[in-house]
Amino acid sequence: DAGITQSPRHKVTETGTPVTLRCHQTENHRYMYWYRQDPGHGLRLIHYSYGVKDTDKGEVSDGYSVSRSKTEDFLLTLESATSSQTSVYFCATSPGLATNEQFFGPGTRLTVL
Amino acid sequence: GENVEQHPSTLSVQEGDSAVIKCTYSDSASNYFPWYKQELGKRPQLIIDIRSNVGEKKDQRIAVTLNKTAKHFSLHITETQPEDSAVYFCAASRQGGSYIPTFGRGTSLIVHP
Repeated sequence: DAGITQSPRHKVTETGTPVTLRCHQTENHRYMYWYRQDPGHGLRLIHYSYGVKDTDKGEVSDGYSVSRSKTEDFLLTLESATSSQTSVYFCATSPGLATNEQFFGPGTRLTVL
Repeated sequence: GENVEQHPSTLSVQEGDSAVIKCTYSDSASNYFPWYKQELGKRPQLIIDIRSNVGEKKDQRIAVTLNKTAKHFSLHITETQPEDSAVYFCAASRQGGSYIPTFGRGTSLIVHP
């Protein structure tokens, strides 16, 4: 569990403000993902990265951008937060070898007022 | 793309009973099927997975079965205990780190003492 951390763990912000969430891993995993979790919707993929500076969109990418300048860090930015982006955000990593097993961070609870 | 349906959304059982959660998938090329458990306020964690070259896999009180012809797989928990109470997610993908699992919407399992 200690290999993947997220910051902040909780955040309250106002509509229209930019927000950046950070995921940090010490596992040297190649793949990193951002999900949002909402009741009744399970885990929905926002963006993912398959290497440094290589990212792609998931199914719910509108209003979000990402960056990965180092193997260990994957940043998720809400360019202008809206109330519909109130959610719990999970970062996950995967070694990128023969396994697809995902290892999740502890989550960030974001509230947009 | 892959589509994963998971049922039921909520499952309530008495301690000691068995619980079964079912998932169907749409992409016949999928060959990796993990199950994740998420306790309240915690991160999802892999509890068991199955690959398409086997039909059943067991690990103590949990088992997963796979029917590739029908494109469905199930999680079986025997002799349920209160600590089994959690949300369970199924997922499906092709095996290999470059493939991203598609998750079901989750099943909330409640085990009553």
